[in-house]
Amino acid sequence: QTVVTQEPSFSVSPGGTVTLTCGLSSGSVSTSYYPSWYQQTPGQAPRTLIFSTNTRSSGVPDRFSGSILGNKAALTITGAQADDESDYYCVLYMGSGISVFGGGTKLTVL
Amino acid sequence: QLQLVESGGGVVQPGRSLSLSCAASGFTFSSYAMHWVRQAPGKGLEWVAVVSSDGTDKHYADSVKGRFTISRDNSKNTLSLQVNSLRAEDTAVYYCARDDGGGYGVWGQGTLVTVSS
Repeated sequence: QTVVTQEPSFSVSPGGTVTLTCGLSSGSVSTSYYPSWYQQTPGQAPRTLIFSTNTRSSGVPDRFSGSILGNKAALTITGAQADDESDYYCVLYMGSGISVFGGGTKLTVL
Repeated sequence: QLQLVESGGGVVQPGRSLSLSCAASGFTFSSYAMHWVRQAPGKGLEWVAVVSSDGTDKHYADSVKGRFTISRDNSKNTLSLQVNSLRAEDTAVYYCARDDGGGYGVWGQGTLVTVSS
């Protein structure tokens, strides 16, 4: 069974840049997996950040960007702010109607 | 405004059943595929199921296949999830989400299902 991999945790300084990745236990992520990204704070529903690799959801600031880096999907946050401290999840479309979430990355801003 | 509101969660004994609902408003419900996503306490998000816009095509995660049934009523703008043979590991907040093509564009606030004797 294919596993979607994310860094369990990451740390960034205020104002800094961080890139979170989303990979596969076997194989490479491409745009054909339609990677999307979500931000979640405790007790809240997820917030959609990025659709289809690199399309920002409405209202999402342009310091959030999505891309394919090497064999993984990536979410880059530039100019990190304190309220970016959240859990971040990617999800990949595996075909045949099936989607799989990564395990999530806990981002600390300090 | 765009809104999804889940209901139907609660405490249920192992092996029993529950029916979850998601009421949609503010958009043309019948134009979108819809998903259920769940999150166990302290854990990550898990995709559960999807139904096509017309309700004819359905897919499930292996962890719920054969026990959960997704359905929709486009005349009532309602998405449903029938959950049977519940197990302790099904304890989670269940979210409905709209498929915007390449991602989930709208999320509900979630409904908590607790499986416990």
